[in-house]
Amino acid sequence: QKEVEQNSGPLSVPEGAIASLNCTYSDRGSQSFFWYRQYSGKSPELIMFIYSNGDKEDGRFTAQLNKASQYVSLLIRDSQPSDSATYLCAVTPQTGGFKTIFGAGTRLFVKA
Amino acid sequence: DGGITQSPKYLFRKEGQNVTLSCEQNLNHDAMYWYRQDPGQGLRLIYYSQIVNDFQKGDIAEGYSVSREKKESFPLTVTSAQKNPTAFYLCASTPGHFTEAFFGQGTRLTVV
Repeated sequence: QKEVEQNSGPLSVPEGAIASLNCTYSDRGSQSFFWYRQYSGKSPELIMFIYSNGDKEDGRFTAQLNKASQYVSLLIRDSQPSDSATYLCAVTPQTGGFKTIFGAGTRLFVKA
Repeated sequence: DGGITQSPKYLFRKEGQNVTLSCEQNLNHDAMYWYRQDPGQGLRLIYYSQIVNDFQKGDIAEGYSVSREKKESFPLTVTSAQKNPTAFYLCASTPGHFTEAFFGQGTRLTVV
């Protein structure tokens, strides 16, 4: 089992729809959870971080964390073509506070 | 402006050569990291350093070496022992435990 798993996609949604991106992780004691957006050929940029169970909203983005199920998700409301990118889920495990484990990413296409 | 600077942006290596990728940060972060990204894959950790003059191997350290003589600098050498070095290399830093990573713009290394 991979430490951080994501559906590689591509996930295709129409403009204005909600895009739902999912991630599971294996270390039950993981402490912090991040979503990064990466455009082709560019470096990742932070979209959201979440540390506690529940939802965290920032503009069109909502991160959801369920530690019991070892599951974290990212919802993008009113999706725009500019949201088309690869979204990387990242988790910092309990035993390695300086080590962040990245998933392989989900490619999102937003159709105009 | 604070940030992480990687150079060069593109690098070509001949078979049997060692090459060094530069990474400099002015964020005053203690921890620095090197990741490798292959097409369609997530980030894999090569080396990381929590403090000056100390560094640890990541998941794919074979064929690579690093140094951390200054807080601001964390160069990566890709040695001739790395048989498949063609990839996108990302340098990152974090301000502490369980925190977000700040990335440089990346170096794309190609073997010719």
